[in-house]
Amino acid sequence: AQSVAQPEDQVNVAEGNPLTVKCTYSVSGNPYLFWYVQYPNRGLQFLLKYITGDNLVKGSYGFEAEFNKSQTSFHLKKPSALVSDSALYFCAVRDRGDGGSQGNLIFGKGTKLSVKP
Amino acid sequence: AAGVIQSPRHLIKEKRETATLKCYPIPRHDTVYWYQQGPGQDPQFLISFYEKMQSDKGSIPDRFSAQQFSDYHSELNMSSLELGDSALYFCASSLGPNMNTEAFFGQGTRLTVV
Repeated sequence: AQSVAQPEDQVNVAEGNPLTVKCTYSVSGNPYLFWYVQYPNRGLQFLLKYITGDNLVKGSYGFEAEFNKSQTSFHLKKPSALVSDSALYFCAVRDRGDGGSQGNLIFGKGTKLSVKP
Repeated sequence: AAGVIQSPRHLIKEKRETATLKCYPIPRHDTVYWYQQGPGQDPQFLISFYEKMQSDKGSIPDRFSAQQFSDYHSELNMSSLELGDSALYFCASSLGPNMNTEAFFGQGTRLTVV
């Protein structure tokens, strides 16, 4: 079964410093990996995805993620954190539906990012 | 750009009552997913539809049912509500049955069962 793990419940970063939110995955076949961000009392917003190709994926709001097949990781990164980046971040993997077609998203437990001024 | 619309945004129901949540996907999106997110939890997949047919089923209780209509909007019907059903319910939509397409989420419906 497909799964993702986010080992950190919370990450604290000072504004202007680089940030990393970790995610590891376990999949059968090719991984289809996604990052979403959730602000308080809001829906999940899509940040970026890895399907194939370059291991460094660039997404919204200056975020990027590095796919590492040997370490089965898909860590989210940003070179310089902003206070407004403070939110809940979810890593997700696309499950395989019946017949290998599109399945639902399986989410990690989420990591709360706190960026202090 | 048009986003996924969910209604109502907030709903308060008593135990054993019924509730209907509605989801209007992004125009041209033919796939809808329903998720339940409890307090401090990650979203849990309930059910999905593609081209008006159920495509996948997750941890949806038998008390719940859902369908997708000809205009692609979807409704989640919840009966015999329990206190534990209190949660944020998200709908998401995507285009086509492809593994590499991202899903776009609505703002959610916050259901409180009292």
